[in-house]
Amino acid sequence: QKEVEQDPGPLSVPEGAIVSLNCTYSNSAFQYFMWYRQYSRKGPELLMYTYSSGNKEDGRFTAQVDKSSKYISLFIRDSQPSDSATYLCAFTSGNTGKLIFGQGTTLQVKP
Amino acid sequence: GAVVSQHPSWVICKSGTSVKIECRSLDFQATTMFWYRQFPKQSLMLMATSNEGSKATYEQGVEKDKFLINHASLTLSTLTVTSAHPEDSSFYICSARDPRQGRNTEAFFGQGTRLTVV
Repeated sequence: QKEVEQDPGPLSVPEGAIVSLNCTYSNSAFQYFMWYRQYSRKGPELLMYTYSSGNKEDGRFTAQVDKSSKYISLFIRDSQPSDSATYLCAFTSGNTGKLIFGQGTTLQVKP
Repeated sequence: GAVVSQHPSWVICKSGTSVKIECRSLDFQATTMFWYRQFPKQSLMLMATSNEGSKATYEQGVEKDKFLINHASLTLSTLTVTSAHPEDSSFYICSARDPRQGRNTEAFFGQGTRLTVV
């Protein structure tokens, strides 16, 4: 079993749609949960960072963590064409700072 | 947020030559930097952890003699791909910790360097 599972997509939605991106993980030592956005040929950009179960909201983005199910989600409301990118979930136990990434989900928001 | 600059953004080199990639933290001092490699449509794979003033820690399967990492100052880490071959062609990305964020993990990435070995 992979340490992190993320559906690579691609996921195509119309502008204005609500997007749901998900990752599952198997390592119980993971304490910090992150979502990164990566545009083509660019480095990842941190979007959301959480360290506990529950929801965290930032503008149109909501990160959700369910530690009991080892499942995290990122919701994007009122999606825009500029949201078209690859979204990577990332995890760390926090002791070393090393991040374990999911494969990334490619999202396309059509105008 | 903190700024991490990576240079060059792309490079083409001949097989057998060496290439150096620089990673700089522009507005903070990074005691630890990380080097990742990313193949097309795949995730980032950690290659090594670079600590200022000490030897880098390499992940399993990464050749230390091929991927030389130097972290001589608190704002600069370099990755040198020695005797590059076509299979080394990839997207190399660095990241750095910003201790001001108060988080026990790195969060900021450079723009990445696309290396093509011909």
